[in-house]
Amino acid sequence: DAKTTQPTSMDCAEGRAANLPCNHSTISGNEYVYWYRQIHSQGPQYIIHGLKNNETNEMASLIITEDRKSSTLILPHATLRDTAVYYCIVRVDPDAGGTSYGKLTFGQGTILTVHP
Amino acid sequence: DTGVSQDPRHKITKRGQNVTFRCDPISEHNRLYWYRQTLGQGPEFLTYFQNEAQLEKSRLLSDRFSAERPKGSFSTLEIQRTEQGDSAMYLCASSLVYHTDTQYFGPGTRLTVL
Repeated sequence: DAKTTQPTSMDCAEGRAANLPCNHSTISGNEYVYWYRQIHSQGPQYIIHGLKNNETNEMASLIITEDRKSSTLILPHATLRDTAVYYCIVRVDPDAGGTSYGKLTFGQGTILTVHP
Repeated sequence: DTGVSQDPRHKITKRGQNVTFRCDPISEHNRLYWYRQTLGQGPEFLTYFQNEAQLEKSRLLSDRFSAERPKGSFSTLEIQRTEQGDSAMYLCASSLVYHTDTQYFGPGTRLTVL
């Protein structure tokens, strides 16, 4: 799986949009971009994933550049409860076959702190 | 729809003792994963099952670790002769392989080896 690079930490004011960047310059054509977050002492929480197109769900939006070498997770109206470690993960399309596509490879993530 | 559950949530044991953790996946999820997370690090993959078959094991899974999923539903992770280095959060996740395979995590079991 391709490696990802994320800033170590970011701050955001409550009510403002939080934009979390991720670089994945070695991503392959059959690799998805996944975002998870982990609030202190809890299990990781799935946020969103995408392949090529931008994606939006009730939690966030995912913007993937045309060359797919980077992406941005957007939390449109950050709240204090969004304070967490955010992980950007590149993962092979599970339909691509093989046996190594099951696992997620987590990096250090970005510590997002939302302040009042 | 209940999520992934893990039991116990916390376990304190003495070095050399055996411990066993249980994971109950989301109903009908056919894939189940185990990860380990130490303080300040992201989760690291240990092993996964598709139904009852264990398809991949990380080299982190030493011979003191064993995982089972006997009926393709719940899974157990056993650590024999625990060491202080085994202290970590043990996370379980499940997915439905025929539907994007998105993994959903449980709350984890915090193991402390004294």
